[in-house]
Amino acid sequence: DAGVIQSPRHEVTEMGQEVTLRCKPISGHNSLFWYRQTMMRGLELLIYFNNNVPIDDSGMPEDRFSAKMPNASFSTLKIQPSEPRDSAVYFCASSLAQGIRKLFFGSGTQLSVL
Amino acid sequence: AQRVTQPEKLLSVFKGAPVELKCNYSYSGSPELFWYVQYSRQRLQLLLRHISRESIKGFTADLNKGETSFHLKKPFAQEEDSAMYYCALRNAGNMLTFGGGTRLMVKP
Repeated sequence: DAGVIQSPRHEVTEMGQEVTLRCKPISGHNSLFWYRQTMMRGLELLIYFNNNVPIDDSGMPEDRFSAKMPNASFSTLKIQPSEPRDSAVYFCASSLAQGIRKLFFGSGTQLSVL
Repeated sequence: AQRVTQPEKLLSVFKGAPVELKCNYSYSGSPELFWYVQYSRQRLQLLLRHISRESIKGFTADLNKGETSFHLKKPFAQEEDSAMYYCALRNAGNMLTFGGGTRLMVKP
């Protein structure tokens, strides 16, 4: 297994544009997490899914952010419209919902909003 | 609500010195605690879990429920330990909350 796969690795966009980040979790994992990493705030949980269902989205900053998980092998995080303060590294992670539940992280998407 | 606090953003020590990265948490239930590490240009990865009571790369962490702490310790720091360290708490619903992270720099 290639692990959690995120795309793109880097995204540079202009303020006001729509940004879509993509994630493919590890096959068989039934929990998926989106985190945002910044120098000031560390790792913030944005939203997580169990069995494709959003369980807690209280970390989503505002209505400009939305996340979907249409099936067990794919999730998207969308920002529309993007703003410079959204610049950060966005991580996707997956795990089993039971048992050891070790979290596996993707390589992250470095987002720069100019 | 659950919360994880790492009071130090940066910790700098010399090689061979003891290291303690602090982590405090607040959670009304029975906590499950972890330390994750991110080495330069690598993915964030699990270092250790409190329920395993294990020592990984010389690091240990003891859950102190009285002080609501889960500090990470190593008696003799190595240069390769330089990394970003995150303390994390998982609740019963599988939600994993991270602290703000501590950057450990081990100087030669």
